[in-house]
Amino acid sequence: GAVVSQHPSRVICKSGTSVKIECRSLDFQATTMFWYRQFPKKSLMLMATSNEGSKATYEQGVEKDKFLINHASLTLSTLTVTSAHPEDSSFYICSARIPGEAGNTIYFGEGSWLTVV
Amino acid sequence: LAKTTQPISMDSYEGQEVNITCSHNNIATNDYITWYQQFPSQGPRFIIQGYKTKVTNEVASLFIPADRKSSTLSLPRVSLSDTAVYYCLVGGISSGSARQLTFGSGTQLTVLP
Repeated sequence: GAVVSQHPSRVICKSGTSVKIECRSLDFQATTMFWYRQFPKKSLMLMATSNEGSKATYEQGVEKDKFLINHASLTLSTLTVTSAHPEDSSFYICSARIPGEAGNTIYFGEGSWLTVV
Repeated sequence: LAKTTQPISMDSYEGQEVNITCSHNNIATNDYITWYQQFPSQGPRFIIQGYKTKVTNEVASLFIPADRKSSTLSLPRVSLSDTAVYYCLVGGISSGSARQLTFGSGTQLTVLP
């Protein structure tokens, strides 16, 4: 299957600082990538849809100024958590779909654990 | 938006066949049904996808009745390593949005020795 890679897998940052998580499609070009957030023992919640070359589309309740998403190339999307607070600590997962693939299957990255101290 | 309903949890023993059913009464004509497996602290992994009838691959089978209002993931001869959360997703992506691919609660499968 398609490979989507995230980096870093784990990151610890201090309150008030910003942290960037990268999501790469390794063997295909992804015009669209998706960012999810997951709390322990809970399901995934869609945060935003990242479109190459245009602004991201955020889900209701997600602060776009806090969770900055950039999709500068067909293989890279980044999520920057700005002015991080302990409540931002969570598991962040990106995904991408292969354009034109039947069923529009989305493939997920390994996830990134963010801990804000 | 096709909401999905799955059992919260299931237990099984090694070597048994496990069937997890997902209800999706509001499935649309163009929607596909996709199942994912998720281990703790990992992203979901694609297992199988189908549109109608039966689909089989090297790890699972997917049974979809004619009305497509439900689907059943079948895992043959499970092992301890199949302990994970299984999600059923229904929908597709239109206009670049994953809004239709909303995760339900998933099913925690625990395989016992």
